[in-house]
Amino acid sequence: DQQVKQNSPSLSVQEGRISILNCDYTNSMFDYFLWYKKYPAEGPTFLISISSIKDKNEDGRFTVFLNKSAKHLSLHIVPSQPGDSAVYFCAASSLNTGTASKLTFGTGTRLQVTL
Amino acid sequence: DTAVSQTPKYLVTQMGNDKSIKCEQNLGHDTMYWYKQDSKKFLKIMFSYNNKELIINETVPNRFSPKSPDKAHLNLHINSLELGDSAVYFCASSQELAGGSKNIQYFGAGTRLSVL
Repeated sequence: DQQVKQNSPSLSVQEGRISILNCDYTNSMFDYFLWYKKYPAEGPTFLISISSIKDKNEDGRFTVFLNKSAKHLSLHIVPSQPGDSAVYFCAASSLNTGTASKLTFGTGTRLQVTL
Repeated sequence: DTAVSQTPKYLVTQMGNDKSIKCEQNLGHDTMYWYKQDSKKFLKIMFSYNNKELIINETVPNRFSPKSPDKAHLNLHINSLELGDSAVYFCASSQELAGGSKNIQYFGAGTRLSVL
C-alpha cells in the first residue's frame, strides 16, 4: 500500500526554466511533508518542508505548495540549475506521533537539468 | 566532518553469514533510524531509537537486530543473511525541536549490502 506516490519517475528541464515535481498522498493523518534531494552514492539531503497549516513554503529557489483537499503537493525549482540534477523524494509524516516520527517516502523523481 | 556516518559503505557477503553495519551521528540528536531502500527504490523505515530506547519497530524479520549503545550510535546486526536482504541501508537522526521540527531527519550516505 503506497501512501505517498510520485507518479513521474523522471523529468527533464532546461537550465533556467522551472522544474515542477509532484507528489500525491492517501493518508489523511499526514500533516507534515518534506522534500529530500539525493545524489548517487549519497544519502537523502533535506531540502524543504511544509506543515498542513500552510499551503506554501518558500526557501530561495525552492517553493513547496500543499493542496490538502487534493492530497497533493508540489516542489517548484526556479530557475533550475544543472546542479539540481538529482533524485527528489517526497516524504510525509504525522507530527503527533510522539518522539520519533516515521517518514513515509515516495519512490522519487529523477530530475535532469540540461544546458 | 560528516554528521551521520555509516560503515562500511559497501558490504558483499555470502548467504547465511552474519554482518553488522555501524552508524554514528555527531549532531547531538536524540533519535536515530534505520531505513532500507530496496531494488524498487522504496525507502522504508525499519527501526527508530530515542535515547537508546526502541520507539519504532516495523515489520522486520527477527534476523535484524538494532543495538544502540548510546544516543550517538545505532548499529544494525543481521543474522543468517538472505538474498532478499540485498539493498541499501540508510541510517538517519533527528532532534525534537519546539514548533514541530522533529521530523527533519538527516541521513548517512548509505551501506550497499550485496548478498551472494
